[in-house]
Amino acid sequence: AQTVTQSQPEMSVQEAETVTLSCTYDTSESDYYLFWYKQPPSRQMILVIRQEAYKQQNATENRFSVNFQKAAKSFSLKISDSQLGDAAMYFCAYRSEGRARQLTFGSGTQLTVLP
Amino acid sequence: KAGVTQTPRYLIKTRGQQVTLSCSPISGHRSVSWYQQTPGQGLQFLFEYFSETQRNKGNFPGRFSGRQFSNSRSEMNVSTLELGDSALYLCASSFSDRSSAEAFFGQGTRLTVV
Repeated sequence: AQTVTQSQPEMSVQEAETVTLSCTYDTSESDYYLFWYKQPPSRQMILVIRQEAYKQQNATENRFSVNFQKAAKSFSLKISDSQLGDAAMYFCAYRSEGRARQLTFGSGTQLTVLP
Repeated sequence: KAGVTQTPRYLIKTRGQQVTLSCSPISGHRSVSWYQQTPGQGLQFLFEYFSETQRNKGNFPGRFSGRQFSNSRSEMNVSTLELGDSALYLCASSFSDRSSAEAFFGQGTRLTVV
């Protein structure tokens, strides 16, 4: 079974600064997808960024980018120019390409943005 | 386009009762998945439906069941509620059953069992 580990329960960053959230995962599969979701106080999970395991190039979405290290099974999220609206719980998630296609989530990192 | 709608938003039930939660996916989406979120266990997968068929089920007791209707709306039912069933229940819909399809989440139903 796949597992996803987020070792930072809480992080804080100054507005306009850069922060990196860590995520590691364990799998024996070669084809899969990795995601970062954001859950603000409204509770709705919002997709921030996704990475296909077969792609070597790191995904980027505006101020959000990932550092995907397949061999190390590491998938960190970098938020540049942090904004107050970035404050939320961030979840790293894994999805298999195979039969078990449900999302497996990490325990989350609560990000606080300081003005 | 309306997002994923979950009803009700909040629910208080007594131990031993049963409860039904509803999820209306985004129009055109045929895949619906359910997750339970608790402070202790985090986010855990319950089940997935596609075109009215259960495709996958998580490691939950038989008290947890679900179904999907022909219009893709889904319901999940929990019978004989226990205090530990108190959680945020999230529903997610996808256009297809492919792993590459993005999952869009609703705002969840907060269930409190007293």
